[in-house]
Amino acid sequence: KNQVEQSPQSLIILEGKNCTLQCNYTVSPFSNLRWYKQDTGRGPVSLTIMTFSENTKSNGRYTATLDADTKQSSLHITASQLSDSASYICVVSVNTNAGKSTFGDGTTLTVKP
Amino acid sequence: NAGVTQTPKFQVLKTGQSMTLQCAQDMNHNSMYWYRQDPGMGLRLIYYSASEGTTDKGEVPNGYNVSRLNKREFSLRLESAAPSQTSVYFCASKLAGGLVNEQFFGPGTRLTVL
Repeated sequence: KNQVEQSPQSLIILEGKNCTLQCNYTVSPFSNLRWYKQDTGRGPVSLTIMTFSENTKSNGRYTATLDADTKQSSLHITASQLSDSASYICVVSVNTNAGKSTFGDGTTLTVKP
Repeated sequence: NAGVTQTPKFQVLKTGQSMTLQCAQDMNHNSMYWYRQDPGMGLRLIYYSASEGTTDKGEVPNGYNVSRLNKREFSLRLESAAPSQTSVYFCASKLAGGLVNEQFFGPGTRLTVL
């Protein structure tokens, strides 16, 4: 069964600190992995997208890494800001025409002043 | 360019009532999706439409029906609402094909079934 597991479930950090969120998956055949940010009460918004051949992708203070051999990804947030408080969702898509996706349960990040 | 829009934003139903959630996208995307998100859980696919004229069941289709009215619109219908269908419903769309196939999400509909 295709699965995506994220850790930790929740995380509290101080403003300005860095943090790393983890994602392990068993989805096959792998097409791509995306990290989404979901603010409270809003729909998810894409941060990064990585295909099989990509090891790292950055979007400002967000850097995602992918190890397709171990089926692991991480999202590193640098110099956190209060606005980074959100749920971060790892999504893995299969290589089919519909590109169906499996969603992780998300990591809830709280950045405190 | 509004992206993906959903109506209504909030809805309260009584058990047994029916309603239709509306979704529209203006990005000329081929594929559209309906998800539900329960507290502390990941999004689960209810139904999807890979292209205009086609619909398929997702992971949790029971109790729901969908209509792909045209390329822009994809509606979700609850024929007889149950408390277990209390959730936040998200519609998404995607330009089918290619490896990089990002889904764009609407703002969600918060449904409570009493």
